[in-house]
Amino acid sequence: GAVVSQHPSWVICKSGTSVKIECRSLDFQATTMFWYRQFPKQSLMLMATSNEGSKATYEQGVEKDKFLINHASLTLSTLTVTSAHPEDSSFYICSALGQVKVLAKNIQYFGAGTRLSVL
Amino acid sequence: KQEVTQIPAALSVPEGENLVLNCSFTDSAIYNLQWFRQDPGKGLTSLLLIQSSQREQTSGRLNASLDKSSGRSTLYIAASQPGDSATYLCAVFRDDKIIFGKGTRLHILP
Repeated sequence: GAVVSQHPSWVICKSGTSVKIECRSLDFQATTMFWYRQFPKQSLMLMATSNEGSKATYEQGVEKDKFLINHASLTLSTLTVTSAHPEDSSFYICSALGQVKVLAKNIQYFGAGTRLSVL
Repeated sequence: KQEVTQIPAALSVPEGENLVLNCSFTDSAIYNLQWFRQDPGKGLTSLLLIQSSQREQTSGRLNASLDKSSGRSTLYIAASQPGDSATYLCAVFRDDKIIFGKGTRLHILP
């Protein structure tokens, strides 16, 4: 089955540094990937939609200069949290849309998530 | 290992009917359970979040219940509308892992 690899699974960084999270579709091409964030005791919320070869579309309230998304290939999207601060500490998860040809539809496959802790 | 199952996989009902979507999970030690809506080609939209200490949450025509002891949650949609047509996903969260069910594909017939 389709697999989405997300790396790293856990990262601790100092305030002011930047952190990059990778999301890879391992055995399928994904023209569209999504980035989500979940704060403690809150629901998973969509941050942005990443389309290969074009600029990401950000949800309202998400700072595009703070959360840089690059989708340079059909199998890789990256999220960079720039100048991270403690309030950016959260659980980040990506997903990729993959087409299941036999079903003639797209299915969303999820990465395992990244726990970011900013000191 | 936590497993999340959603039944039915697909459902078609006439407009105006009330309906129930089911979600079951094998490990009752969860932090919370979440219901999402997914439209084709779009990201997930969060509908309801139920903390492990809660039994239900309501938002408009939606009501979600949680019974941890039996490992079950239901999403009740009242007075269904064609705009409710989408795939509905439930997910359980624990230990920095979120595990999704495969979803129920809902089609509301005008």
